[in-house]
Formats: sequence, C-alpha cells, structure tokens
Amino acid sequence: AQTVTQSQPEMSVQEAETVTLSCTYDTSESNYYLFWYKQPPSRQMILVIRQEAYKQQNATENRFSVNFQKAAKSFSLKISDSQLGDTAMYFCAFMKSTGTASKLTFGTGTRLQVTL
Amino acid sequence: NAGVTQTPKFQVLKTGQSMTLQCAQDMNHEYMSWYRQDPGMGLRLIHYSVGAGITDQGEVPNGYNVSRSTTEDFPLRLLSAAPSQTSVYFCASSRKQGIQPQHFGDGTRLSIL
Repeated sequence: AQTVTQSQPEMSVQEAETVTLSCTYDTSESNYYLFWYKQPPSRQMILVIRQEAYKQQNATENRFSVNFQKAAKSFSLKISDSQLGDTAMYFCAFMKSTGTASKLTFGTGTRLQVTL
Repeated sequence: NAGVTQTPKFQVLKTGQSMTLQCAQDMNHEYMSWYRQDPGMGLRLIHYSVGAGITDQGEVPNGYNVSRSTTEDFPLRLLSAAPSQTSVYFCASSRKQGIQPQHFGDGTRLSIL
C-alpha cells in the first residue's frame, strides 16, 4: 500500500514571497504519478500540477513548480510570487500507473495562509 | 460543459436514515470514484468504477453502496446512516487510468445526527 505524508499542517507566507510545501511518499512501485491539489475555502479540489515518475525533469505550471526526488521519495511544491488567492489547503496525492482504476492516495494536507 | 455535478451540496440526516448522494459527469469519463474528507485527513477512497456495470471497493467502503448503470451517473448510497459517516463527500471522474488527472465535483457536506 502507498502512503503520502505531509509533515507541515500549516504554513504562512507573505504576499510576493516564495514558499515550499513538503511531501514524502512510500511505495514499492517503480512507475507512478504524483499530484498537488489545491482546495480553497470554496471546497473545490483543483489540480495544481502533476509529475510522472519516469520523467526526470521537474514539472512547472506558471508560478508553481515541483522538486521531485525519486530516490528520496520526495515531491515538494514551490509557489513563487505568492498571491492572496493562493490561500488554501494543499494536498499531495499519489497514483499508481498500473491497475484498473485511477485511485488517488492523499496526504493529510497543508493549510497555506498568504498574508499582506 | 458542467463537468462533475454533485447533489445535494448539504444534507442533514438522522441516525438510521437512508440517503443517496448523486454524482453525474458529462465528459464521457470511464472512471468515477467517491471519496470522503474528514478533518485533519486527506481524502479517502470509498468506492470506484472503471465503467458502466463495474464497481469495486476502495479504502473505506463499509456502510456505503454504489452502482454504475450508465457512464454518466455514479450514485453513493448510505443504507443506514451513522454519525461516523458525517463528512464531506467528493465525487471524481477521469478519462482513463493513470495518465489523466481526476476532475472533482464541489462536494456534499453530510451531517448525521
């Protein structure tokens, strides 16, 4: 079974600054996918960024980028130029690339507060 | 394009009542799933379906039933609600396994008294 650990329950960052959210995972799979989801107060689950484990290059999406360390089983999210709208819960999630269904295993989340 | 639609958005039940949470998607996705979200925890998979007529259990299936008679709909049934089922429920769908990320509905907040 896979496990996903987010060791930072809460974080705070000032507007325009950079923040890094940590995520580690445990799996015996060699190929898989990793995701970061954002959940604002509206409760929507919004995909922020994804990474295929077979790709060495770190994924980026505008102000969001990841540091994927496969050997260390680490998948951190960096948010640059933080904006007030980035205030949300952030969930790291794991998905096997084999099998018959798209089943996600989530971490417990990090609550990010962006302040003025 | 509505995406994934969940109804109702809020519901209060008494212990022992039955209830069906509705989920519909208009993206012709094969895969659909139900998660529950509890305070201090991530989302946990309840049941999932890889296509019409096929369902399987996830991590926390007890107390819930599902069916998938059509590609579009994937209802979640609570046959006899218990306070431990108080949670926020999310339905999700995706085009095919692995590669495509899941699209989530807006969630249903369910309280069992």
